[in-house]
Amino acid sequence: GENVEQHPSTLSVQEGDSAVIKCTYSDSASNYFPWYKQELGKRPQLIIDIRSNVGEKKDQRIAVTLNKTAKHFSLHITETQPEDSAVYFCAASGSYQLTFGKGTKLSVIP
Amino acid sequence: DTAVSQTPKYLVTQMGNDKSIKCEQNLGHDTMYWYKQDSKKFLKIMFSYNNKELIINETVPNRFSPKSPDKAHLNLHINSLELGDSAVYFCASSPRTLSYNEQFFGPGTRLTVL
Repeated sequence: GENVEQHPSTLSVQEGDSAVIKCTYSDSASNYFPWYKQELGKRPQLIIDIRSNVGEKKDQRIAVTLNKTAKHFSLHITETQPEDSAVYFCAASGSYQLTFGKGTKLSVIP
Repeated sequence: DTAVSQTPKYLVTQMGNDKSIKCEQNLGHDTMYWYKQDSKKFLKIMFSYNNKELIINETVPNRFSPKSPDKAHLNLHINSLELGDSAVYFCASSPRTLSYNEQFFGPGTRLTVL
């Protein structure tokens, strides 16, 4: 089955700096790569996703890149704000299910 | 106008008891899921139903039994609760089983087994 590795497990940045979270996956058949944000005590919510036929996607301060050859994808957050503090999960989707990474706890220091 | 709802939000119970968690979605989605999130925040899929039919049954103890009375509901029944069952359980739904579909999560049920 699919295996998703996510790094780092924790990340602290100063407000205004950029944050990068990286994930690798094992199943070359995976073709959908979403990122979820989970604030403390809340449900995971989709923030951005990318399909395998696209190399990069951007939505305001958030961007995701995908390298299918190397089987890795990354989340980039620019101009971080305190409200970006949360746990971020990457995931990879093959046939029927999403396999999640173990999460990255991002802390943005004001 | 809640999209995916779960009840109860909190569940505290003794070891050995049997409990149920209910999930409902009003999005008209075909597929529903149960996830377990442990104390380390790891999200692991347990079950998936598509139009009331079980399509994913990960390696979970058979004390866990999902039931889907219709495609808008997916309930989770747990027998003989153990300490290790303590976790947050999330229900989710998506339009269909294939990829490219956002999964919408419920608010979660925090289960504490004493």
